[in-house]
Amino acid sequence: EVQLVESGGGLVQPGGSLRLSCAASGFTFSSYWIHWVRQGPGKGLVWVSRINTDGSSTSYADSVKGRFTISRDNAKKTLYLQMNSLRAEDTAVYYCARVRGTYRSGGGFDPWGQGTLVTVSS
Amino acid sequence: DIQMTQSPSSLSASVGDRVTITCQASQDISNYLNWYQQKPGKAPKLLIYDASNLETGVPSRFSGSRSGTDFAFTISGLQPEDIATYYCQQYDGLPVTFGQGTRLEIK
Repeated sequence: EVQLVESGGGLVQPGGSLRLSCAASGFTFSSYWIHWVRQGPGKGLVWVSRINTDGSSTSYADSVKGRFTISRDNAKKTLYLQMNSLRAEDTAVYYCARVRGTYRSGGGFDPWGQGTLVTVSS
Repeated sequence: DIQMTQSPSSLSASVGDRVTITCQASQDISNYLNWYQQKPGKAPKLLIYDASNLETGVPSRFSGSRSGTDFAFTISGLQPEDIATYYCQQYDGLPVTFGQGTRLEIK
């Protein structure tokens, strides 16, 4: 079964850091671009970041640029999101999602992980 | 950024109805448009990719179409299990952007 499972969410104080992980199984992880998408409480979906198949190319939303870093370890079949200088407005469920189709930077996102909740509050 | 204007924001319909949701892109995005279904507490699920292609395993009552920068998502014969929020998403340019969502309820 093709699956993505996020972990690492939790409660963190403003200005703090957190690292999210996204573990992949059931497919050749190193052949797919992966994205992070977040969803604030009761809000819509917002794109955060993406990474190419070997980790050499990354992109970020302006709202997280300079604070978040996406990376991947293809040997461990795991995606990461290092989040620094966290703000209250970063509070959200964070999803990792695979691009449909190998070696494609864009396309439908399928599958998605179940999400991990990040709460930034004092 | 490419803006995706999705309407309506909410919709109430009866079982068996034909339901249509639209998304308008702020510029030409070719067919780089996907549709997702999200049920409460769950991750989004891809239904339609590249404007009009049905994802494997998705019921054929779901369909998508394009006319210029206007995109439509249709459910032909609403079922109780279709209650969810639906989002469009463009991937022609960065940042990837989503529509505001349409909350679908059963009348």
